[in-house]
Amino acid sequence: KAGVTQTPRYLIKTRGQQVTLSCSPISGHRSVSWYQQTPGQGLQFLFEYFSETQRNKGNFPGRFSGRQFSNSRSEMNVSTLELGDSALYLCASSPTQGTNNSPLHFGNGTRLTVT
Amino acid sequence: GNSVTQMEGPVTLSEEAFLTINCTYTATGYPSLFWYVQYPGEGLQLLLKATKADDKGSNKGFEATYRKETTSFHLEKGSVQVSDSAVYFCALSLIDGNTGFQKLVFGTGTRLLVSP
Repeated sequence: KAGVTQTPRYLIKTRGQQVTLSCSPISGHRSVSWYQQTPGQGLQFLFEYFSETQRNKGNFPGRFSGRQFSNSRSEMNVSTLELGDSALYLCASSPTQGTNNSPLHFGNGTRLTVT
Repeated sequence: GNSVTQMEGPVTLSEEAFLTINCTYTATGYPSLFWYVQYPGEGLQLLLKATKADDKGSNKGFEATYRKETTSFHLEKGSVQVSDSAVYFCALSLIDGNTGFQKLVFGTGTRLLVSP
């Protein structure tokens, strides 16, 4: 079974631009979550989608948005990029909702650098 | 609120040394507990989990026991290898009372460095 696939692996953008990151979950997984990882803040939860609906949202400004498609693939978008948005963006999928013991399966992330 | 506290790193050990990485949690309700590991340049991988009090999760020589009385889930390994060098994250999972869906809370991570 293929794992979680994130594209692209690396991205360099300039301040003010926007960016779209893509995530393909493990086949059959319907829940997709996004995290931002930085050396200073650690892992921070962005949002979670299940069956095309946003179920949970972290404390990020409205510049960060996401969506999920009917095939469970997900995208996240960051508009008006700032230097502080430089981070590793991780996507994770899980098969179910409604239980508290489904582990997340992470992709290798997209490394975004804003200059 | 719900939170996870891990010991500060880095933890520096020689090969074959005993490893303990402390993790304590605060949670309302009955969480499941996880340890994830992140190798350089990769995402997080599930290392082990425990879903109820006194459960012991184990994998690849690593163990952790869900201690409800001390709200802890310390990670241990009897003899570390250079290949165990990575960042280790403790996490708890609960059903969010507002949404009814699973919510994970991660600790800040502990970097382990093992030298030959």
